[in-house]
Amino acid sequence: EVQLVQSGAEVKKPGESLKISCEDSGHTFSNYWIGWVRQRPGKGLEWMGSIYPDDSETRYSPSFQGQVTISFDKSISTAYLQWSSLKASDTAIYYCARLSGCRGVACYSSWFDSWGLGTLVTVAS
Amino acid sequence: SYDLTQPPSVSVSPGQTANIVCSGDKLGIKFTSWYQQRPGQSPVVVIYQNTKRPSDIPERFSGSKSGNTATLTITGTQAVDEADYYCQTWDDTNWVFGGGTRLTVL
Repeated sequence: EVQLVQSGAEVKKPGESLKISCEDSGHTFSNYWIGWVRQRPGKGLEWMGSIYPDDSETRYSPSFQGQVTISFDKSISTAYLQWSSLKASDTAIYYCARLSGCRGVACYSSWFDSWGLGTLVTVAS
Repeated sequence: SYDLTQPPSVSVSPGQTANIVCSGDKLGIKFTSWYQQRPGQSPVVVIYQNTKRPSDIPERFSGSKSGNTATLTITGTQAVDEADYYCQTWDDTNWVFGGGTRLTVL
């Protein structure tokens, strides 16, 4: 069974760093891409980036390139999303989700088949 | 960047058919998925690869495509279907979501 367990809510100040996590408790990440999706309050879903745990290949949305870093620790089957300097505009819920349907790097037929519960990040002074 | 366009809102009466559309450049040759997000919950896939429905999704949900427009159809809409719906595709090396459509059942 696919179970994506995300870390708890965070409250940070502008300029602080943060790393949130997404653990694959069902050990199903092998051969799947893992994506991170942002949802600002009252707004829609925005794809931020994805990582392929088997070789750590990472792709970023142009909107988020350079703003965040996505990584994966194979020893504990956990994906991470991190910021070096948060802004108030980073306030949002962040979801991790597993991608099915990719054939290696070819993901034209892929979809997000399992989602975590989300991590609420609040950035305020 | 690639964009998917959805209407902000759709209203339907209980028991009627709801159609939510999603359009994008050359979407006709891409795969489209649809997600349902109820208030306070994580998104759930209801249609993937244009027309396929996960085993735990009710049969009243279906997907289709005509030209560069994908459509999510809910036949016999129920009150529990009231939610936000997002289309999604893959373009080059990017995953893309539509802006979302709020379905109101009234």
